[in-house]
Formats: sequence, structure tokens, C-alpha cells
Amino acid sequence: GENVEQHPSTLSVQEGDSAVIKCTYSDSASNYFPWYKQELGKGPQLIIDIRSNVGEKKDQRIAVTLNKTAKHFSLHITETQPEDSAVYFCAASRLDSNYQLIWGAGTKLIIKP
Amino acid sequence: GAVVSQHPSWVICKSGTSVKIECRSLDFQATTMFWYRQFPKQSLMLMATSNEGSKATYEQGVEKDKFLINHASLTLSTLTVTSAHPEDSSFYICSARDQRGTRRKEQYFGPGTRLTVT
Repeated sequence: GENVEQHPSTLSVQEGDSAVIKCTYSDSASNYFPWYKQELGKGPQLIIDIRSNVGEKKDQRIAVTLNKTAKHFSLHITETQPEDSAVYFCAASRLDSNYQLIWGAGTKLIIKP
Repeated sequence: GAVVSQHPSWVICKSGTSVKIECRSLDFQATTMFWYRQFPKQSLMLMATSNEGSKATYEQGVEKDKFLINHASLTLSTLTVTSAHPEDSSFYICSARDQRGTRRKEQYFGPGTRLTVT
């Protein structure tokens, strides 16, 4: 079955710098890749997603890139701010599994002031 | 848009009692709802998937008689933890999706319910 690996498990960056979180997936049929942000004690919040027919998507300071050949996708956060501190999860899914999400293990992002 | 609520946000119950958690989609119709369990510092573990008006599909290892799921309407699903024990203590999160339309891939999550069984 599908497996999603996420790295790093913890990432500490200086405020204002960029942060990059990477995920790889095993099932080449996966075609939808969302990213979620989870703050302590709260549910995950969808922050950006990408479909397999697109290589890159950007929303203000957040961008996601997808390399279908290599089966990996990445989250890029620029000009990081203290409120970006959270746990970030990547996920992969596909149409014929009813878009059931296969989750990465999560990355704890720490923004140092 | 795409707001999902959960109630209660936290609950403490005694061992052997049952607890019901509600999940509501507030501004869209959820044809499918999902229930997850999350242990500290871990990823989300899917427990079951429910489609409106149908029986839930449980993941392997999840006891359907212990975790009763009802998805009676397009905006409400409930999870009942029956005869709760301390090992059932966890963070339970629901998510909802409308399988129709252009946003059918997207899942929106509730804020979670912290269950503590004493």
C-alpha cells in the first residue's frame, strides 16, 4: 500500500528565514497531495494542496512543489513568522481509494525569534 | 467556508461509561465523514469512514462495537465510545468532505475532542 515519508521530524529556523519540508510517496497512482498545519490541541488545518497535473502552486508565503517522476513533494514557507510554529503534515491520496489520506509522520516547525 | 465543529472539546469520564462526540459541518454538506485518533506527538490514525445514510467502514484493528459511528444526516456524524477504559484516552478528530463538486478531494477537520477516561 501507499507509504508517505516526511522529513525532517523537527525543523528550527530563524524568524524571517525560509523553511522547507519534504515528503516522498510510494504509490505512483497518487494524484492529490494536501498539506496540513496543526497547532497544539487543535485539529489540522488545510493550508495548501496540489494535484498531480501541476508542478507548483503558491499562496502568499506558502508554496508546494511536486516532482511526479521522483515521487516527492515539498512545502516551502518564506519569511517565516512566530505564528508559523506548528506541526505540519503532508498527505497523499488517489481517486480509486476515495481520496483516503495517507499521512506523513509530521514535522514540528519551530520559529526562533 | 468549510468549517467543521466538534462537541465537546474535552471530556472526562469514568471507566465503564459511554461517551458521545458530535461532528458537524457548519457551512457545507458532508457526504463523507472520517474519524481519526491521534496519540501525542504522532500522526493521525484513521479509525473509520462513514457516508451519509450508510454504515461506517472501520479500519483494521478498530472495534466497531466499541466505537459506534452514526452519520444520519449530511451535516452530523457521531462517535460513541462505549464502555470506555483508560486506554481509550486520546485526541479524537473528525473530518468532513463533500464528494460532489469541484472540491471533492478536500477534507476539512474539526478542532478535536480530548477524551480522558479515569
